[in-house]
Amino acid sequence: DTEVTQTPKHLVMGMTNKKSLKCEQHMGHRAMYWYKQKAKKPPELMFVYSYEKLSINESVPSRFSPECPNSSLLNLHLHALQPEDSALYLCASSQGPGGLAGWGTETQYFGPGTRLLVL
Amino acid sequence: AQKITQTQPGMFVQEKEAVTLDCTYDTSDQSYGLFWYKQPSSGEMIFLIYQGSYDEQNATEGRYSLNFQKARKSANLVISASQLGDSAMYFCAMLEGDNQGGKLIFGQGTELSVKP
Repeated sequence: DTEVTQTPKHLVMGMTNKKSLKCEQHMGHRAMYWYKQKAKKPPELMFVYSYEKLSINESVPSRFSPECPNSSLLNLHLHALQPEDSALYLCASSQGPGGLAGWGTETQYFGPGTRLLVL
Repeated sequence: AQKITQTQPGMFVQEKEAVTLDCTYDTSDQSYGLFWYKQPSSGEMIFLIYQGSYDEQNATEGRYSLNFQKARKSANLVISASQLGDSAMYFCAMLEGDNQGGKLIFGQGTELSVKP
């Protein structure tokens, strides 16, 4: 089973709202990711969690706050977003570091995404 | 730094015919992995196929095969017997990773339309 779930599927929020995106996987993966994708563009990495610790932050504005409560869950807390933050937010997971193969052989499995509209 | 180039913004193919989607890459790493993902209009990124740089044979997964030419730094996706459900955006990607985490570097994508 290579399923990653994301909720909600769609989210509309005002610039003063606080909301959260949720991602869950039950594949025993130890690395989880948030990507942002604008229309007609490829996804861009935002954050990487490895063994529940933040390992990469791609200089994302502080209005995006990730959280990894446990190895199966990844949240993205949103506060004071701008209209330009409207995008598809994709969560992914992979087995995680360790082993001789290293990162280069990791396959990332994506969830269905959350379409966010900021008004 | 790694770079992925997809030069075909859009392509059309007749149903039941084969189609090749081009991908070239640039990396100074000796060990690397190349991936193809499919993204339908629903938005989900679906993993299709993986090719490791040291794999001696081209990867295949059902109707998908990867034409890997290491010297040319190309990793083209071949879809045989196209189906209407193959209409989607296709991304070629490479991992830029170290022990901290794997960042997928994507090409700009190719939008494939299958005609009945």
